[in-house]
Amino acid sequence: GQNIDQPTEMTATEGAIVQINCTYQTSGFNGLFWYQQHAGEAPTFLSYNVLDGLEEKGRFSSFLSRSKGYSYLLLKELQMKDSASYLCAVRDQLASNYQLIWGAGTKLIIKP
Amino acid sequence: DSGVTQTPKHLITATGQRVTLRCSPRSGDLSVYWYQQSLDQGLQFLIQYYNGEERAKGNILERFSAQQFPDLHSELNLSSLELGDSALYFCASSVGAVKYYEQYFGPGTRLTVT
Repeated sequence: GQNIDQPTEMTATEGAIVQINCTYQTSGFNGLFWYQQHAGEAPTFLSYNVLDGLEEKGRFSSFLSRSKGYSYLLLKELQMKDSASYLCAVRDQLASNYQLIWGAGTKLIIKP
Repeated sequence: DSGVTQTPKHLITATGQRVTLRCSPRSGDLSVYWYQQSLDQGLQFLIQYYNGEERAKGNILERFSAQQFPDLHSELNLSSLELGDSALYFCASSVGAVKYYEQYFGPGTRLTVT
């Protein structure tokens, strides 16, 4: 079957670094997305990984290991505005038309 | 601003009623997706349209239906509403139908069923 696991909630300090993990089980992995969602707002795209390794984009980086079914999102130099939920989503080529399978999200709380 | 528009922003209605949610995709995008997000829940994929045709179905109830019109805007119809249908409904759009294309989300419609 399909399953995506993320921690429900994490807390970090302003200026620090935090790593949000995502593990997945799918039969037809075809790419992994990270989205940011502030409370009551629309998700916004952060990153996409389809090959193993690290993708860096400013303060945010995303890592993928396909053999381990594992990804993480690394946020550096945390700012208060980074308080949000972070959604991991996997594209499954065996799902209807390559649909995204979404994790429940990790709520990140940044403290001063 | 993602370029995806959704109306209305808020909707309050009673059980048993029917409502229609509207979405206009980004200019040039042919795919429209509908998602439901209940309080503190993850996104649940409902349905996808590509250039007017249904492409994929997720966990969409039989009481719900959708369509995409020739001008590419889409509507999600929810009927015989129940309290459990209260949620944020997001529309997203992308350029293509299958291969890697980032999805851009609209601001959502918050539906409250009383």
